[in-house]
Amino acid sequence: RKEVEQDPGPFNVPEGATVAFNCTYSNSASQSFFWYRQDCRKEPKLLMSVYSSGNEDGRFTAQLNRASQYISLLIRDSKLSDSATYLCVVKGRGSTLGRLYFGRGTQLTVWP
Amino acid sequence: GAGVSQSPSNKVTEKGKDVELRCDPISGHTALYWYRQSLGQGLEFLIYFQGNSAPDKSGLPSDRFSAERTGGSVSTLTIQRTQQEDSAVYLCASSLSRRREETWYEQYFGPGTRLTVT
Repeated sequence: RKEVEQDPGPFNVPEGATVAFNCTYSNSASQSFFWYRQDCRKEPKLLMSVYSSGNEDGRFTAQLNRASQYISLLIRDSKLSDSATYLCVVKGRGSTLGRLYFGRGTQLTVWP
Repeated sequence: GAGVSQSPSNKVTEKGKDVELRCDPISGHTALYWYRQSLGQGLEFLIYFQGNSAPDKSGLPSDRFSAERTGGSVSTLTIQRTQQEDSAVYLCASSLSRRREETWYEQYFGPGTRLTVT
């Protein structure tokens, strides 16, 4: 089983729509979680960290459910500029501390 | 300031040749990571350097892959006797973390080297 499994998408939504991405992780001891954004043929960039109590950054809301080992990202009022691939990322623990484990990514296209 | 830089940006090589990929981390960053991203696949961890500690090489896919980090700064990833399955984008990242336990620091990625093995 892969460390991080993600909704493959693609998601195609109109401007202004709300869209949600989901992700599950396999290591119950994991403590650090992130969403990265990757534009076409560009490097990944940190979008936001995911905290236990859930957190919001403008139009973006991240949630963590430790019991289900499930992470989500909600984007409200989608903009054209939100079109990208969204990567669910879990940081390693124990012997794998320091590594990042990436999901395959969910592609989002926002159309006018 | 300057971000992570990688060279070359693109590399086309023949099967069986050796290649060297270079990464210049952000100045002052003590942690350096190599990942690769194949078409349609997620990013795959390769190797991690943390200060003067022994690197975590457990992600290297075969003994044809090696990496070093000279003077705690620049890193070189070497692939010997390249195979077609080595074709991918090789990404380097760096962070400020001074110890493995400092997991809260963001990893900043370079633009990657696109390797094509023909």
